[in-house]
Amino acid sequence: SQTIHQWPATLVQPVGSPLSLECTVEGTSNPNLYWYRQAAGRGLQLLFYSVGIGQISSEVPQNLSASRPQDRQFILSSKKLLLSDSGFYLCAWSSLQGYGNTIYFGEGSWLTVV
Amino acid sequence: AQTVTQSQPEMSVQEAETVTLSCTYDTSENNYYLFWYKQPPSRQMILVIRQEAYKQQNATENRFSVNFQKAAKSFSLKISDSQLGDTAMYFCAFTTGDSWGKFQFGAGTQVVVTP
Repeated sequence: SQTIHQWPATLVQPVGSPLSLECTVEGTSNPNLYWYRQAAGRGLQLLFYSVGIGQISSEVPQNLSASRPQDRQFILSSKKLLLSDSGFYLCAWSSLQGYGNTIYFGEGSWLTVV
Repeated sequence: AQTVTQSQPEMSVQEAETVTLSCTYDTSENNYYLFWYKQPPSRQMILVIRQEAYKQQNATENRFSVNFQKAAKSFSLKISDSQLGDTAMYFCAFTTGDSWGKFQFGAGTQVVVTP
């Protein structure tokens, strides 16, 4: 069965510090990968998605970047965090194979920028 | 532009009662998939139910069922025999099923089940 893990679960970082959130998927190959952000009490905002290694599409201009160094690894980064980067970050994957076109989410990472 | 609208920010229901959440969407595509996700206080996003647009039969998963009205672009979720564990934020979502697999989510409806 397929699983998705992301870490760290909770992070408190000062303004101007770097960020690295990591996500890995197991049990599937060539998944679509996504990073979403959810501000408090709000819906999901798609930040990045990737259809393959090194292929990243950005949905929202911002202080963040994403990378996909391996087929099932997706990393969200920032060189200098802003207060507005605080929020709940969700990694997710989907695939056209199998049950097809359903998106599955990781456990999420809470980021507080202070 | 493809959009998803959930017009009910919050709904309250008593245990064992039924609640219906509304969702409308807008797309020019003919082939797409619709979903309801549940986000309990743990913040884990959990798939509740899935509907393929080409299927006329409404999807059902135990106490959860949908009313899919393709012409009206409506996709409501009915929770029957509500339980305290159903308390969560519910998100409606859809994807057009192309190779990009981009998913559009609604703003969510907070469901509170009371004893």
